[in-house]
Amino acid sequence: GAVVSQHPSWVICKSGTSVKIECRSLDFQATTMFWYRQFPKQSLMLMATSNEGSKATYEQGVEKDKFLINHASLTLSTRTVTSAHPEDSSFYICSARPRQGLGTDTQYFGPGTRLTVL
Amino acid sequence: GENVEQHPSTLSVQEGDSAVIKCTYSDSASNYFPWYKQELGKGPQLIIDIRSNVGEKKDQRIAVTLNKTAKHFSLHITETQPEDSAVYFCAANNAGKSTFGDGTTLTVKP
Repeated sequence: GAVVSQHPSWVICKSGTSVKIECRSLDFQATTMFWYRQFPKQSLMLMATSNEGSKATYEQGVEKDKFLINHASLTLSTRTVTSAHPEDSSFYICSARPRQGLGTDTQYFGPGTRLTVL
Repeated sequence: GENVEQHPSTLSVQEGDSAVIKCTYSDSASNYFPWYKQELGKGPQLIIDIRSNVGEKKDQRIAVTLNKTAKHFSLHITETQPEDSAVYFCAANNAGKSTFGDGTTLTVKP
């Protein structure tokens, strides 16, 4: 149990285009989903937190209009990078926290999405 | 806010030896401490966790200890195998929000 999927696993796009990344909890309902960015050989940097049915909370320094989050249901959150630039190239990981059971403090991570902006 | 420090940043051991990774945290309100293993190009995977009302937890070759007074917790891996090679992250959680350590790159030499 506790499987989180992310799609796509990797994407290459041109500068100025938008990219959507999906995060799904496959076998549990998620109260909260988290979006992280990870630079090479570094820790996880929290970018935003989304709760189903409400607006996402963005960490300081993260541009809301650039990283749009939609937590559409208890199993799906999407994040859209609008007008991507080469500096947005990175490894992005989502995680989901169960609504009940499984330990509601625990975060289960997706496999990550490698974004490359040319 | 919470601050988590993790040591060492890199650790190299011989296959069969034990490996220990240590973390300290600053916020005494943190009450849940998971450990994650991340392999190259993949997302972190939960390997073991401990709550603040427990001092030690073991799962086969992996164990975690927690000292609430000193605000530190450790991951112990015994009888290490090459497939244990990965980056390990500790985290301290308060009210559902996790703060992660900077990670330890463990290399197990065959």
